Amino acid sequence: AQTVTQSQPEMSVQEAETVTLSCTYDTSESNYYLFWYKQPPSRQMILVIRQEAYKQQNATENRFSVNFQKAAKSFSLKISDSQLGDTAMYFCAFMKPFLGGAQKLVFGQGTRLTINP
Amino acid sequence: EAQVTQNPRYLITVTGKKLTVTCSQNMNHEYMSWYRQDPGLGLRQIYYSMNVEVTDKGDVPEGYKVSRKEKRNFPLILESPSPNQTSLYFCASSRTLYPGGSYNSPLHFGNGTRLTVT
Repeated sequence: AQTVTQSQPEMSVQEAETVTLSCTYDTSESNYYLFWYKQPPSRQMILVIRQEAYKQQNATENRFSVNFQKAAKSFSLKISDSQLGDTAMYFCAFMKPFLGGAQKLVFGQGTRLTINP
Repeated sequence: EAQVTQNPRYLITVTGKKLTVTCSQNMNHEYMSWYRQDPGLGLRQIYYSMNVEVTDKGDVPEGYKVSRKEKRNFPLILESPSPNQTSLYFCASSRTLYPGGSYNSPLHFGNGTRLTVT
């Protein structure tokens, strides 16, 4: 079974700083997807970024980028120029896609990120 | 607007009193799922459904039931709630991945239901 580990329960940085959230996972699969979800106080689950394992290039979405190290099974999220609105719980998630099958996500424990003014 | 709607948003109940949390999606998605979120554990899958009348257990199904009589609805039923089911619950839906397709249909989540069982 796949597992996802986020070793930083809480992090805090000053506005405009860069912060990196760590995520490691364990799987024997070669084809899979990785995600970072943001959960602000409103409790919404917002997809921040996703990475397909067969793509070597790291995904980027504006100020959010990932460092995907497939051999090390590491998938960290970097937030550049952090903003107060980035304050949220962040979840790393793994998914092995099954053709015609369940799109099950396996989540990490979450990292609570606080951006201070 | 494409969305997954969960109700209620907050629910406080007592041990043993049956309750249902409703979930409805308007995107014609085949796949629907329930997760519970607990501190330090992240989100864990309770049940999922591949289509109408097709449901299966996730990782933590004990104490829960589901049904999928219509494609859009996927209610979560707690026949006899207990305090250890106090949690934040999420419903989610997506299209099913078909051969030749790429994964461009991420899970759409509802806004969550905060359940407290006393």
